[in-house]
Amino acid sequence: GAGVSQSPSNKVTEKGKDVELRCDPISGHTALYWYRQSLGQGLEFLIYFQGNSAPDKSGLPSDRFSAERTGGSVSTLTIQRTQQEDSAVYLCASSLAHGTGVQETQYFGPGTRLLVL
Amino acid sequence: AQKVTQAQTEISVVEKEDVTLDCVYETRDTTYYLFWYKQPPSGELVFLIRRNSFDEQNEISGRYSWNFQKSTSSFNFTITASQVVDSAVYFCALGGGPYSSASKIIFGSGTRLSIRP
Repeated sequence: GAGVSQSPSNKVTEKGKDVELRCDPISGHTALYWYRQSLGQGLEFLIYFQGNSAPDKSGLPSDRFSAERTGGSVSTLTIQRTQQEDSAVYLCASSLAHGTGVQETQYFGPGTRLLVL
Repeated sequence: AQKVTQAQTEISVVEKEDVTLDCVYETRDTTYYLFWYKQPPSGELVFLIRRNSFDEQNEISGRYSWNFQKSTSSFNFTITASQVVDSAVYFCALGGGPYSSASKIIFGSGTRLSIRP
């Protein structure tokens, strides 16, 4: 079975441009997550989807960041008017649906390396 | 609040040595889950283990072993007879429980392990 896939693997953009990052979760995984990892740093939670809804958007750093998920599958993270501090690796993960108080294992994709010039 | 501390920022050992990566966590949940992930130079996060707080048995998988001690809130990871391919950043993580968001896994800052030939 295929793992989590992300595209593009690398993206170079100019400051002020918009970018879209795509995540295709493991088939059957209803939960999907986006994280950001700056160079040499840990993982910063951005947003969580259960199905097509996002019950937790608490990690989105500004209103320039948005994400959507359609058909309970593919998700797109959009960054508008990119800034140099947005440069990072954006990681997507998916998991089975959570039971109450149960934390399912999150499986990660290879990430998208974003560089804003 | 939940927190994961990996006090060892970097460790370097010679191949075939045993090495232990420390992980200390904080949570007020009585039910929670602990994880270890490996991030090799390629960048993809690889799931290693998930442990429920009710299961205090230590686990061994080949050269890898995990020591879970609730009394000291620690979940340490030992690699026996280390190999160069073990070189990576290792993340400990915590999630689940009624006081935490089911969506979030809280990651430690990671330990960079270098195995010298």
